[in-house]
Order: sequence, then structure tokens, then C-alpha cells
Amino acid sequence: DAGITQSPRHKVTETGTPVTLRCHQTENHRYMYWYRQDPGHGLRLIHYSYGVKDTDKGEVSDGYSVSRSKTEDFLLTLESATSSQTSVYFCATSDWNQETQYFGPGTRLLVL
Amino acid sequence: SQQGEEDPQALSIQEGENATMNCSYKTSINNLQWYRQNSGRGLVHLILIRSNEREKHSGRLRVTLDTSKKSSSLLITASRAADTASYFCATDAVKGAQKLVFGQGTRLTINP
Repeated sequence: DAGITQSPRHKVTETGTPVTLRCHQTENHRYMYWYRQDPGHGLRLIHYSYGVKDTDKGEVSDGYSVSRSKTEDFLLTLESATSSQTSVYFCATSDWNQETQYFGPGTRLLVL
Repeated sequence: SQQGEEDPQALSIQEGENATMNCSYKTSINNLQWYRQNSGRGLVHLILIRSNEREKHSGRLRVTLDTSKKSSSLLITASRAADTASYFCATDAVKGAQKLVFGQGTRLTINP
């Protein structure tokens, strides 16, 4: 898994609360990504980062924000969680000279 | 909307048989990749085929690409129980952006 960890691995929260998911990599990869996976939708890109402090929106970015203050960490924040954000969230990384992505183990988030 | 769409959505075969999954996409690509996801785990890269290639092999995997039809197929020969997983195609629809667009996946079940 290219040294990618995600925390927490499972979380239950209530509607309206902020939630932060963390992705940590030890590969010194330049690019990092946050996806959500839902039945019938496959993986959809939320946000991605192409360097420290450099981020951009993906396909389903509304309601999410990200930050990357260090190469190894990429944080995903749900500003005010909604039930529609119940999902499995995956972090991935890739390096500047690679087209393939390496995935973390995922975080299961349940918003009640 | 999804760039890649897999067909069939689910496939169940006997151990030892060959499994074929198809992927169709909509726009020009530089490369197409296939990933595997075991239940409850992150995605793992299997194989990448570039737009100027027509066929590629890796062990029991054979991937074909037809850019005129905007389609690809993944063949797994001599299937094993351990091949039970979901398989996703991914395309790099935006050159240089290091972003992938995933299809919805094919759920493959190998029956012993």
C-alpha cells in the first residue's frame, strides 16, 4: 500500500458536526487524492493536492475542504457533516513521474 | 459523469475458467489502468496500457485497448478463488493533471 495510512478507520458522527479525516504517507509522493466510494458510483474524486499547500477541487468537492501543510499529510474536512456524506473515503498518492495511484485502506464514515 | 463504465456489473464463474471484463470510456486518453479491490480494502493497481498499445500481458492478466471504439477489456485466465474482487478501470482524461476517473467496477466471484 506504499506506506499509506488513514485515520480514523471507522467513525460515527452526527449531522452538523465537523469531521476531519487524515491521510499519512511515507513515500514522499508529490500527489495526494481523496475519493469517496458509494454503491453505484464507483470512486469519485473529492479533492487532490499536487504539492504542499497546492490543492484543487475534484468532481464532488461541495461540503468538503482539504489542507496539506506537509508532504506526508493530507487532511479532509467535512465542514458540517450531512447524511449524504456517509461513505467510504479513500486516500491515494502518486509521484510526479508515475501514472499509477497507491491507495490507503479507507475510512468508513457514518453520519447519523 | 463517469469516464469509464464497466460491463458486466457482476460476474460469477467457476474456478479455472477465464473471466472477461469490459470498460468503455468517452474521451481521448493517454493511458488506461485496471485496479482490483478486495472486499473492505483499498484499490491495488494491476496493469496500465498506453493509448499507442493494443495489448498487454502481466502473468494471468491480458488487457486489450481499442481506441477507435474507446473500449478496453481485462481477461483473467485460469481464475482462482483469490481473484474474487471488484475490478475497476481508470482513465487519465486530463493530460498532465495526474488525475484518474474510475468506472463503477465489475464484481467478480470465483466459485470453487
